[in-house]
Amino acid sequence: DSGVTQTPKHLITATGQRVTLRCSPRSGDLSVYWYQQSLDQGLQFLIQYYNGEERAKGNILERFSAQQFPDLHSELNLSSLELGDSALYFCASSAGLGNTGELFFGEGSRLTVL
Amino acid sequence: AQSVTQPDIHITVSEGASLELRCNYSYGATPYLFWYVQSPGQGLQLLLKYFSGDTLVQGIKGFEAEFKRSQSSFNLRKPSVHWSDAAEYFCAVGDMEYGNKLVFGAGTILRVKS
Repeated sequence: DSGVTQTPKHLITATGQRVTLRCSPRSGDLSVYWYQQSLDQGLQFLIQYYNGEERAKGNILERFSAQQFPDLHSELNLSSLELGDSALYFCASSAGLGNTGELFFGEGSRLTVL
Repeated sequence: AQSVTQPDIHITVSEGASLELRCNYSYGATPYLFWYVQSPGQGLQLLLKYFSGDTLVQGIKGFEAEFKRSQSSFNLRKPSVHWSDAAEYFCAVGDMEYGNKLVFGAGTILRVKS
């Protein structure tokens, strides 16, 4: 158990819909990262938050957004969903910016868009 | 930009045989390197990491990896594979200049035959 909790574990929805994925980091971790894992793209970094502020941005679509709340949990919002958004979305956390880079991953949220 | 190449998509080894998974990275400075393992339906678990010092690092589950700067490689090894090692293995390099995110390779799927 990594200590990172993601909900929901599975989600099935239709094209055009909007979903929210939730992540609770390990206790004390200030950084939260979102990754998308798909068969054709592999593990792609989406976005990182540190203590409530956006720190780094990767290949995140404009239809996607994220935030980190004062209690440090994070949400990833996916809107106007397309079939190609079907993937496993991972949240990871780490202690902070100055750490040695080790990330702790949740078990992921599997999104299926029909 | 940082990148990681895992040249082998699939590898099959016999139980009890030795294993080596290849990883090459591209990074301008001294890299932080990681190997993660993902079992089916699970999140990513850290096997080992290299930051500095001894170029041969030991990890969990009997795995080790050797950092070779001259070859830009960080290959993962195990002297005797167990059936429970069947999983997907990811090499990653830490982008310490941009938010501490990890850049992952495409992964190598390990199959163990009895």
